[in-house]
Amino acid sequence: EAQVTQNPRYLITVTGKKLTVTCSQNMNHEYMSWYRQDPGLGLRQIYYSMNVEVTDKGDVPEGYKVSRKEKRNFPLILESPSPNQTSLYFCASSFKTGWDYEQYFGPGTRLTVT
Amino acid sequence: GENVEQHPSTLSVQEGDSAVIKCTYSDSASNYFPWYKQELGKGPQLIIDIRSNVGEKKDQRIAVTLNKTAKHFSLHITETQPEDSAVYFCAASLSYSGAGSYQLTFGKGTKLSVIP
Repeated sequence: EAQVTQNPRYLITVTGKKLTVTCSQNMNHEYMSWYRQDPGLGLRQIYYSMNVEVTDKGDVPEGYKVSRKEKRNFPLILESPSPNQTSLYFCASSFKTGWDYEQYFGPGTRLTVT
Repeated sequence: GENVEQHPSTLSVQEGDSAVIKCTYSDSASNYFPWYKQELGKGPQLIIDIRSNVGEKKDQRIAVTLNKTAKHFSLHITETQPEDSAVYFCAASLSYSGAGSYQLTFGKGTKLSVIP
């Protein structure tokens, strides 16, 4: 079954305490990305990766880091979380060849920073 | 960069009626327009998409239309059912066939409620 998994699903932490949200996909997709979803703002892209060791900033990258050492994994790192990073985070993976496209989102990680 | 406006933000319809959600985009170079459905507690799910070389696309009860001149596209759901209740997002992107993947800009979402 095609699947994008995220862990943890829920996380409450304090300002400044480093955390990592993991993302893994089992579809051998080259492209992965992270989004945050906030009420009234929709989905905004944080970072994306076109392939292993290839990452780039999305629309709201400040305060986040990513790495892509393996094709299946794309962790999101918050080195020093702040309350404005309280949000619902989604990882997504996609595959595109010619005009064919498929994309899957993970179930989301709800992060609260106090 | 691209900017996508989506309307309405909330929509209530009676079961069996049609629902229409509209989006406008700013970058005339955008050529790919997907729609997503997000059910409560779940991630968005791609439900239909359209490319700029096509004016309309249908998949059972859902259809998407694109007007490149006016830079707007719409999602149409016919014969709505309670299970259609969800938040729907539109998005726009520029991508070339066979090159990389899509950088998506999303609308802010429409909460659709289908009343039995």
